[in-house]
Amino acid sequence: DAGVTQSPTHLIKTRGQQVTLRCSPKSGHDTVSWYQQALGQGPQFIFQYYEEEERQRGNFPDRFSGHQFPNYSSELNVNALLLGDSALYLCASSLALGNTEAFFGQGTRLTVV
Amino acid sequence: KQEVTQIPAALSVPEGENLVLNCSFTDSAIYNLQWFRQDPGKGLTSLLLIQSSQREQTSGRLNASLDKSSGRSTLYIAASQPGDSATYLCAVRGGYQKVTFGIGTKLQVIP
Repeated sequence: DAGVTQSPTHLIKTRGQQVTLRCSPKSGHDTVSWYQQALGQGPQFIFQYYEEEERQRGNFPDRFSGHQFPNYSSELNVNALLLGDSALYLCASSLALGNTEAFFGQGTRLTVV
Repeated sequence: KQEVTQIPAALSVPEGENLVLNCSFTDSAIYNLQWFRQDPGKGLTSLLLIQSSQREQTSGRLNASLDKSSGRSTLYIAASQPGDSATYLCAVRGGYQKVTFGIGTKLQVIP
């Protein structure tokens, strides 16, 4: 049983560019959440997708957007990249119903230069 | 707004020692609390999940307790090993499934 998979693992982008990160949830999970983790900090909640809609959103600007596909996989898009967007981006999957355990992927390390 | 605090920020112990990591949260209206382990530059590995109605959970050498009314959780690691060296994160799930993390406790177990 594959867990949560994220791609790519590492990415280097130039300031002002756009980036797309991808996540495949654990088999059977229908909810995907995205987090940003800056160096030395805890993960910060970006947003959550369920039934192909954004359900909850953290304190992040509109430059951060996402999408969920019918197979429950998800994308995180960041436009007009800033140096401060450099971080580890984590995807977590869970079940919408019930207080179930969240499983995380290994993350995508984004470096903006 | 939920805030999660973890104490201590860093901890260094000799191999074999038992240790306790602390997590506190400001809003007791939570659905569950989850402890994670994170190795440098890696993702999060779930260690234990405690539902709001539970008091503790155990897995091998790990034991986590939850006192929801006082907004506290502890992670107890018995007979620590060098392989336990990592950052340990506490996360609480509140309304609308929003999850709030602490900054973590960086643990070093010295052989």
